[in-house]
Amino acid sequence: EVQLVESGGGLVQPGRSLRLSCAASGFTFDDYAMHWVRQAPGKGLEWVSGISWNSGSIGYADSVKGRFTISRDNAKNSLYLQMNSLRAEDTALYYCAKDLGSVELRAFDIWGQGTMVTVSS
Amino acid sequence: DIQLTQSPSFLSASVGDRVTITCRASQGISSYLAWYQQKPGKAPKLLIYAASTLQSGVPSRFSGSGSGTEFTLTISSLQPEDFATYYCQQLNSYPPLFGPGTKVDIK
Repeated sequence: EVQLVESGGGLVQPGRSLRLSCAASGFTFDDYAMHWVRQAPGKGLEWVSGISWNSGSIGYADSVKGRFTISRDNAKNSLYLQMNSLRAEDTALYYCAKDLGSVELRAFDIWGQGTMVTVSS
Repeated sequence: DIQLTQSPSFLSASVGDRVTITCRASQGISSYLAWYQQKPGKAPKLLIYAASTLQSGVPSRFSGSGSGTEFTLTISSLQPEDFATYYCQQLNSYPPLFGPGTKVDIK
């Protein structure tokens, strides 16, 4: 079964850090680009970051550039998001998503169930 | 960045109705557009990519069309399980932004 399972979310104080993980199974992980997408409570979808199959191409939303770092470990079939200097506006459900393509953007065909990040003092 | 607008933002319809949602891009994106369906408490589900290609397993009552700056998602005969929020997404260039969403509710 093709599956993405996120973990690492939780309650964190403003200014602190958190690392999200996404475990992939059921497909050849290193054939595809991967992304993080978030959704604040009651709001729409916001793309956060994406990484190509070999980590050669990486992109970030302006809202997280310089604070978040995406990475992947193809040997472990895992995607990560290191989130530093967290702000209240980073509070959201964070989804891991698989791209149909390996480098170029195509569409996000597989999504995890999400992990909730709450930034509050 | 390429911005997307969707219309309407809210739609009330009945089972069996034909429903059309429009997505407009701030600049031309060829056919690099996808449509997603999201139900409350669930992850988004890919319906259409490359503007008109139906994702495997998606019912044929869903269809997409358009290119350049104007795109449409059509549900030919609305079913009870189709009541959800629909998002378009541009994939022409980074960042692959989403539209604001269209909520389809029961009339």
